[in-house]
Amino acid sequence: DQQVKQNSPSLSVQEGRISILNCDYTNSMFDYFLWYKKYPAEGPTFLISISSIKDKNEDGRFTVFLNKSAKHLSLHIVPSQPGDSAVYFCAASKAYNTDKLIFGTGTRLQVFP
Amino acid sequence: GAGVSQTPSNKVTEKGKYVELRCDPISGHTALYWYRQSLGQGPEFLIYFQGTGAADDSGLPNDRFFAVRPEGSVSTLKIQRTERGDSAVYLCASSEGKTGGLDTQYFGPGTRLTVL
Repeated sequence: DQQVKQNSPSLSVQEGRISILNCDYTNSMFDYFLWYKKYPAEGPTFLISISSIKDKNEDGRFTVFLNKSAKHLSLHIVPSQPGDSAVYFCAASKAYNTDKLIFGTGTRLQVFP
Repeated sequence: GAGVSQTPSNKVTEKGKYVELRCDPISGHTALYWYRQSLGQGPEFLIYFQGTGAADDSGLPNDRFFAVRPEGSVSTLKIQRTERGDSAVYLCASSEGKTGGLDTQYFGPGTRLTVL
């Protein structure tokens, strides 16, 4: 039972355009959502997070939107850069503090010149 | 500063053998997590330590898997009687272990385990 789903395995975007990565979840107990970025042969790197009490969080070129009623979140990257090419994982946690993360299957983003 | 380190980076073993995977967390981090990532999947939770004790081991797939963290720092994941299905990248993460705020988990590069 996949509690966190990323239905698009891959996404290709031109440099300078917006990249939108989507994530859906099924468990209404999830309270915290995170995005991680992963390059080959490296561990996931924390990118940005959002608490369930907010609907938007922004950090530079990265913005995460949360729609609790739809159990959906998205990561917007604008403008996209070739260095953003990586696999992006959506993750969720039931607790505001220390707890295990439930990950989606990832979306491979390719930003081309 | 130093991040989470994991050794070995690659491990090839034969079916039925015993393996140990090591994780060195970020200095001062009290929480430590093990995840497993199979091909085409996201990381899957195995076990979480707060200090020396396992706070949640609900992700361990069976009793062939065991993890320890005797001094509250370095952790070892132990797999007995390995099976081909155990082949995956084993990721370790650590966090400050704080309460009342987001406790970001920082991941190591992982150990790629291949069981022949």
